[in-house]
Amino acid sequence: GAGVSQSPSNKVTEKGKDVELRCDPISGHTALYWYRQSLGQGLEFLIYFQGNSAPDKSGLPSDRFSAERTGGSVSTLTIQRTQQEDSAVYLCASSDRQGGTDTQYFGPGTRLTVL
Amino acid sequence: GESVGLHLPTLSVQEGDNSIINCAYSNSASDYFIWYKQESGKGPQFIIDIRSNMDKRQGQRVTVLLNKTVKHLSLQIAATQPGDSAVYFCAENSGGSNYKLTFGKGTLLTVNP
Repeated sequence: GAGVSQSPSNKVTEKGKDVELRCDPISGHTALYWYRQSLGQGLEFLIYFQGNSAPDKSGLPSDRFSAERTGGSVSTLTIQRTQQEDSAVYLCASSDRQGGTDTQYFGPGTRLTVL
Repeated sequence: GESVGLHLPTLSVQEGDNSIINCAYSNSASDYFIWYKQESGKGPQFIIDIRSNMDKRQGQRVTVLLNKTVKHLSLQIAATQPGDSAVYFCAENSGGSNYKLTFGKGTLLTVNP
């Protein structure tokens, strides 16, 4: 079946502009995650959605970052007033939280470049 | 070993050799561990996982070993192929969290033909 998809694949923006990144999880997966990966680094947790529960936003680096998940499926990560340090690859993952395991399946990421 | 700044640990092997990639995890309360493979320009791809009630798990050409005493995880790849060239990340479930994963900085594996 189809995996996690993200759009756009690349985004170049000017400092101070707002950007929206989209994630389509695997159909039927109830959990959705956003991560950030800076050049040559591991993945940094940003936010987690599970069903209708309140999201865990503990990884968001500042109040310029927000995310929502509509209808329990598609999610949008919004970065307001972008800064150069926001440049990174933003990865989305989903999981089905079945059987006590939580294997997360990742999308290809959105490479964000802030000029 | 662990990386510093932008410099990833690297491992270079010859095609057909076995590879061993090591990872030191941070939280003794973590009870679920995963290895991911990330090729250039792609998202991480699940390889194999292991729970803390096991010390070894085998998949197709891959084996994960877990040593909880020293908080060490390793990934063994048998008969390494050029297609195995990638960055490999270990991840732990953040001290037993149901969902939050903490990732290591990764190891770059290069397979020479």
